[in-house]
Amino acid sequence: AQTVTQSQPEMSVQEAETVTLSCTYDTSESDYYLFWYKQPPSRQMILVIRQEAYKQQNATENRFSVNFQKAAKSFSLKISDSQLGDAAMYFCAYRSAGNQFYFGTGTSLTVIP
Amino acid sequence: DAGVIQSPRHEVTEMGQEVTLRCKPISGHDYLFWYRQTMMRGLELLIYFNNNVPIDDSGMPEDRFSAKMPNASFSTLKIQPSEPRDSAVYFCASRKPITSTEAFFGQGTRLTVV
Repeated sequence: AQTVTQSQPEMSVQEAETVTLSCTYDTSESDYYLFWYKQPPSRQMILVIRQEAYKQQNATENRFSVNFQKAAKSFSLKISDSQLGDAAMYFCAYRSAGNQFYFGTGTSLTVIP
Repeated sequence: DAGVIQSPRHEVTEMGQEVTLRCKPISGHDYLFWYRQTMMRGLELLIYFNNNVPIDDSGMPEDRFSAKMPNASFSTLKIQPSEPRDSAVYFCASRKPITSTEAFFGQGTRLTVV
């Protein structure tokens, strides 16, 4: 079974600074999809960014970008110009060809004013 | 689009009672997932449906848990009888029939069994 590992239970960043959240995964598949979700205190799971494994180019969405290293099975999230509203739990997720989603245990991000 | 709608948002029940959680997926989505979130175990997939048919229920913890999807716009997750260790946030999510898309989540139901 696929596993997703987030090795940083907690991270903090100064407002306006940059922070990188780590994620690694284990799979034998060649075709899959990776996602970062944000879960603020409201509990709603919100998609931040997605990456298709067949694409070599790293995905970007405004202040959010990923560093996708397929050979290393690594998928980190970089948040630039951090804002107070970025404070949340962040989950890395893997979607297999079999359509199941596997989630990491999450990283709690604190933004310091 | 109203998104995935779950009800109730909060449920407090006594041990031994039956609990039913409800989910309305986004119209046109043909995959529906039920997840359970706890501090100890994170987000666990319980079961998922494709076109109203259960595909994988290997994550359902015990026979006390059952899920149905009688039509494309409604699903239920039932716990009977409930136990304190079932206390968690239960999420429903749905996905379009397009390969690369993400799962869209509801706001979850926080279940407390006392």
